[in-house]
Amino acid sequence: AQRVTQPEKLLSVFKGAPVELKCNYSYSGSPELFWYVQYSRQRLQLLLRHISRESIKGFTADLNKGETSFHLKKPFAQEEDSAMYYCALTRGSTLGRLYFGRGTQLTVWP
Amino acid sequence: DAGVIQSPRHEVTEMGQEVTLRCKPISGHDYLFWYRQTMMRGLELLIYFNNNVPIDDSGMPEDRFSAKMPNASFSTLKIQPSEPRDSAVYFCASSRRAYEQYFGPGTRLTVT
Repeated sequence: AQRVTQPEKLLSVFKGAPVELKCNYSYSGSPELFWYVQYSRQRLQLLLRHISRESIKGFTADLNKGETSFHLKKPFAQEEDSAMYYCALTRGSTLGRLYFGRGTQLTVWP
Repeated sequence: DAGVIQSPRHEVTEMGQEVTLRCKPISGHDYLFWYRQTMMRGLELLIYFNNNVPIDDSGMPEDRFSAKMPNASFSTLKIQPSEPRDSAVYFCASSRRAYEQYFGPGTRLTVT
């Protein structure tokens, strides 16, 4: 069975500090991994996906199949990064279903 | 494009009452998802549809919950009878491909 684990429910950093939100997954096949973000009073939205290998708002995430991880990183956190972040996984056989982690609430202090 | 539309945005009801949540997906999207978000359990998938057909309803907590999608532009999630533990934010999402889900603003349900 597939599972997405975000070990930190809460994470706080100061503005300008590096931030890393952890995500580990368990799945024997080849998953596709995503990060979704929910800013205060806004809709949950896609932040980035591993297949795109892109940097969005300064965030990057690398899929490490050996460690089954997909950690989200940003070298210099900003106050506007404060939000709830969800890691999600999909597998080809489930035809559209996303498996979400329980989320990490990131707070960036001024 | 207004995106995924949900109504009502807020619902306060008394225990035992029927609650109906509504969702209009983005035009052209063939997947529709219903989620529930709580502090304790995070984001849980309740049910999802593909081309108006329910594919997986294993997340529906119990028989008090039911969902329908009578056509490609409308879906409902019904709770009957409602209980205080059903208080949560309920999200609807739609997608055209398997994984690019677009979320609605959510319905905040409070059952007293």
